[in-house]
Amino acid sequence: QSALTQPASVSGSPGQSITISCTGSSSDIGTYNYVSWYQQHPGKAPKLLLSDVSNRPSGVSNRFSGSKSGDTASLTISGLQAEDEADYYCASYININTVFGGGTKLTVL
Amino acid sequence: QVQLVQSGAEVKKPGSSVKVSCKASGGTFNNYAISWVRQAPGQGLEWMGRIIPILGIPNYAQKFQGRLTLTADRSTSTLYMEMSSLRSEDTAIYYCARASAVPDYGAYETWGQGTLVTVSS
Repeated sequence: QSALTQPASVSGSPGQSITISCTGSSSDIGTYNYVSWYQQHPGKAPKLLLSDVSNRPSGVSNRFSGSKSGDTASLTISGLQAEDEADYYCASYININTVFGGGTKLTVL
Repeated sequence: QVQLVQSGAEVKKPGSSVKVSCKASGGTFNNYAISWVRQAPGQGLEWMGRIIPILGIPNYAQKFQGRLTLTADRSTSTLYMEMSSLRSEDTAIYYCARASAVPDYGAYETWGQGTLVTVSS
């Protein structure tokens, strides 16, 4: 199973909004509404931001939102803050397995 | 609140095996799937497989079939990940992660602190 495709890096200024895409195929994202997103700061374990495309776990800021269209899912971060600088990973359920994207490094300028 | 605490760092020779533990505490253990995810130095996350403790039946990513064994000890709420025939490319941080819901559809809300496995001659 191939990894999902994410841009290697994105950047934005404080207060702006950014969107990170996650492209899969008709076998994964295109079929299942089970896309999750993770944030990972250096030296830390990943943190779940969104599940089932757009559901935020308790405690996750509403600045993080998700959507899906066809074979591509997206994570939008609004009101960018310095602490949002991190690596972001998408993941999709596929046929009892899970596949991750390659990750996107977000730089807050 | 569920916590996952993993065993300490390991240094292994190529061709040997490693067994990493992940002890769960503070919540429901049996029904929620536990996945293992690894991250090579400077690289992304890679899903390896999962096990549902109450069932004890694992499923593995195709890449790890034949080299990976996931088990669960319900009496001690401890999960184990054993990988054999280690090679240098297996050097990574290995995480256990608990699914956020039943059934598991790939969202992991609770993570262990990670265990660094170094494979070096």
